[in-house]
Amino acid sequence: NAGVTQTPKFQVLKTGQSMTLQCAQDMNHNSMYWYRQDPGMGLRLIYYSASEGTTDKGEVPNGYNVSRLNKREFSLRLESAAPSQTSVYFCASSPSLSGLAQYFGPGTRLTVL
Amino acid sequence: QQQVKQSPQSLIVQKGGISIINCAYENTAFDYFPWYQQFPGKGPALLIAIRPDVSEKKEGRFTISFNKSAKQFSLHIMDSQPGDSATYFCAASSGTGGGADGLTFGKGTHLIIQP
Repeated sequence: NAGVTQTPKFQVLKTGQSMTLQCAQDMNHNSMYWYRQDPGMGLRLIYYSASEGTTDKGEVPNGYNVSRLNKREFSLRLESAAPSQTSVYFCASSPSLSGLAQYFGPGTRLTVL
Repeated sequence: QQQVKQSPQSLIVQKGGISIINCAYENTAFDYFPWYQQFPGKGPALLIAIRPDVSEKKEGRFTISFNKSAKQFSLHIMDSQPGDSATYFCAASSGTGGGADGLTFGKGTHLIIQP
């Protein structure tokens, strides 16, 4: 039981490049989330998926897209990376539709030059 | 608008002392208040959580105190140990808000326990 896994762990992009961050969970959770963490800002919700087949915007969705591929996987895509997207990205999952008791992955540290 | 305000930003406590971190919220629809612990290079991990129908919850050395009328809640770490050194985040959620709309986090407290 690996919990929530994220790939890659580290990534460096040039401005304008695109990439997809992968997230998978093996806990049979319904809900999944993407957060970004910046120094002094806490964690901010980018997108979430209450259940397979649905996605919704969070607090800071601009510049990102998501795909809930199946119940296990929830990916985050940056179509044209910008330096402002330099951050640590965390994926999380929750067993309930109400978003409680979220379990976080180890994070992806992204630098955009 | 910051919906969950956390203080202090950083805290230094001697080993064996009590660490106290405070949070205040604005949204009266919040009905779930967890605390997360994060070590460097790791994801946040759920530490303890409370709902507003109780004023206190204790798990081992960790206690949440909740004041619904003041819209405040706090984390107390008793007998603080060097292994407790980490960043702590309070959070809140309105779980009845019609969807899995995620958690609203405070900005975090960097706790250092000095041996």
